[in-house]
Amino acid sequence: KAGVTQTPRYLIKTRGQQVTLSCSPISGHRSVSWYQQTPGQGLQFLFEYFSETQRNKGNFPGRFSGRQFSNSRSEMNVSTLELGDSALYLCASSFAENTEAFFGQGTRLTVV
Amino acid sequence: QQQVKQSPQSLIVQKGGISIINCAYENTAFDYFPWYQQFPGKGPALLIAIRPDVSEKKEGRFTISFNKSAKQFSLHIMDSQPGDSATYFCAASNGQNFVFGPGTRLSVLP
Repeated sequence: KAGVTQTPRYLIKTRGQQVTLSCSPISGHRSVSWYQQTPGQGLQFLFEYFSETQRNKGNFPGRFSGRQFSNSRSEMNVSTLELGDSALYLCASSFAENTEAFFGQGTRLTVV
Repeated sequence: QQQVKQSPQSLIVQKGGISIINCAYENTAFDYFPWYQQFPGKGPALLIAIRPDVSEKKEGRFTISFNKSAKQFSLHIMDSQPGDSATYFCAASNGQNFVFGPGTRLSVLP
């Protein structure tokens, strides 16, 4: 059974640009969550999608958005990138709420 | 109230020793408590999880102890090995999202 796949693994972007990250969940999982991990703030929840609907959202500005497709794959978009957006972005999938969540390897975004 | 506190920040243990990491929470709506292990350059990997209807859960060398009244839970790693050297995160979920502790960097000396 394949795990959670995130692409790309690494990205370097310039301030002001936008970026789209992709996440393919484990087969059969309909919930996809996104987290930002930085040394200073730790793991912070961005948002969660279930069956193409955003169910929960963390405390991040509107520049951070996402969506989920009918095959449960999810994308996260960050517009008008800032230096502080440099982080490891992690995607986690689970079968249902409050069940085991499995993380991908993450996308390392560097904003210069 | 959404915070999960974790201690210690770092931990050094001799091979064969017991590693103990503690977490505390405030929100009584949390009802699922997993622990994750993360190696550098990798995503967090689920180690073990517990729900508040049990006080202890053991899987191999890993044990979670849960104290509902104190709103605390801990991870015990028995017979710690150098390969256990990683960052460990506790987390709590209320069915909406996971709230993570700040992490504990464990180093197991050979």
